[in-house]
Parts: sequence; C-alpha cells; structure tokens
Amino acid sequence: HLVVTQSPSASASLGASVKLTCTLSSGHIDYAIAWHQQQPEKGPRYLMKVYNDGSHRKGDGIPDRFSGSSSGAERYLTISSLQSEDEADYYCQTWGTDVQVFGGGTKLTVL
Amino acid sequence: QEQLMQSGAEVKTPGSSVKVSCKASGGTFRYYAFSWVRQAPGQGLEWMGGIIPVVDTINYAQKFQDRVTISADVSTSTTYMELSSLRSEDTAVYYCARVLVGPTREFDIWGQGTLVTVSS
Repeated sequence: HLVVTQSPSASASLGASVKLTCTLSSGHIDYAIAWHQQQPEKGPRYLMKVYNDGSHRKGDGIPDRFSGSSSGAERYLTISSLQSEDEADYYCQTWGTDVQVFGGGTKLTVL
Repeated sequence: QEQLMQSGAEVKTPGSSVKVSCKASGGTFRYYAFSWVRQAPGQGLEWMGGIIPVVDTINYAQKFQDRVTISADVSTSTTYMELSSLRSEDTAVYYCARVLVGPTREFDIWGQGTLVTVSS
C-alpha cells in the first residue's frame, strides 16, 4: 500500500534554511516524488521532482533557493534564505500503477 | 505559456451533479495525462482520478469510483470531471492538473481551481 508521510508543521526564521521531509512507505523506498507549494488562498504550484538517487529537477521559474535530495525512504525539500512568501503548505506527491498519492502536507511558518 | 483554465464556481443542492471543465492551452494536449484533485476546506489534497486522453485510459480513486466520471475532448483540449449524488462533504475546491506520461508522473501544471459548494 503506497503511502507518503509528512510532518504536519515546521518553522524557521526569516533568512534561515529549512528541510522538509516526505517518507515513502515500506516497499516503495525507490520511488520518485514531487513537491508542490500552496501559498495561502492560492492553488498548488509544482516545485520539483526528486529521484531516489538524490537528484532533482525543478519546474520552470523555481528559484535556486529550493532544492531536493534523498536518503533511503526519505525525500527532502530544502529551502534556503527563507523569505516571507515561502510561508505555505508543502505537499509531496508520488504515483503507483494507476494511482496518485499525496502526503498530508507540511505547514511551514516563517518566523 | 502553458496553462489550464477551469470553469467557474458552482452552487449545487444535495443529490445533484456537477461537471467541471479544464481547458489546456499553450501545449500539446495529446502528449499528456490529466488528473483531478480536490481540497475540502482546511484539508489537504485528495486525488480523485485521471485520464490519458489520447488512448482514453481512465483511472479512479477507489473512494470516488461510484460517483465520478472523468472524460476528455481532444478536439477542444478540454478535460471534464463530473461528480454525482452530491452531499455537503463534497464542498471543496476542485483542481485539474497536467500529468507527465513517462517514468515519472508528477503534476507539473495546475488549474486555478473551481469552488463547488453543496448546500440546501
């Protein structure tokens, strides 16, 4: 059963860095995932996909401050030089045979 | 610029149906799949189902398969999602998203969302 798990919340200070985690379920640890950002009162926006080897590929126009990495069953989204507009919900997404799965989302607060 | 443009907000009564459209522009419709995702107030994203228009392959999430119908019109680059037997819990924003067809199937473009309110 394909599941991705995220912590409900995270926080970091303006100008600092934060690393968000998405954990794949057992038996699916080699899956790639995608990260999406949803700012308050807006629709989701695709950020990047992260492969199991740690490489990532960003969507058009995504700033260099956003990067992805991987370790085992975990996929990460790192945001450096945090800005106020980075305060948002972040969702990871993965896919199986004929199914798409979202994590519950992480609400990032920029202090 | 590639984008997905959805139809406008809807207000429906319990037991009725709603059909939301999503028109793709700026890209090649037939090269992609499309999914529908909903977000209830204050909740996360929930996948409902998807379609590969060029081969008319459709998949539904088990939760919705009895009530949702996803279709596409290649001639107008439009995909549709119809949800029947509406209840108050179906009040949500409904999004379409473009899906790459290949080794990875991430949603790379999202529609702006359509608010569906179910109320008597």
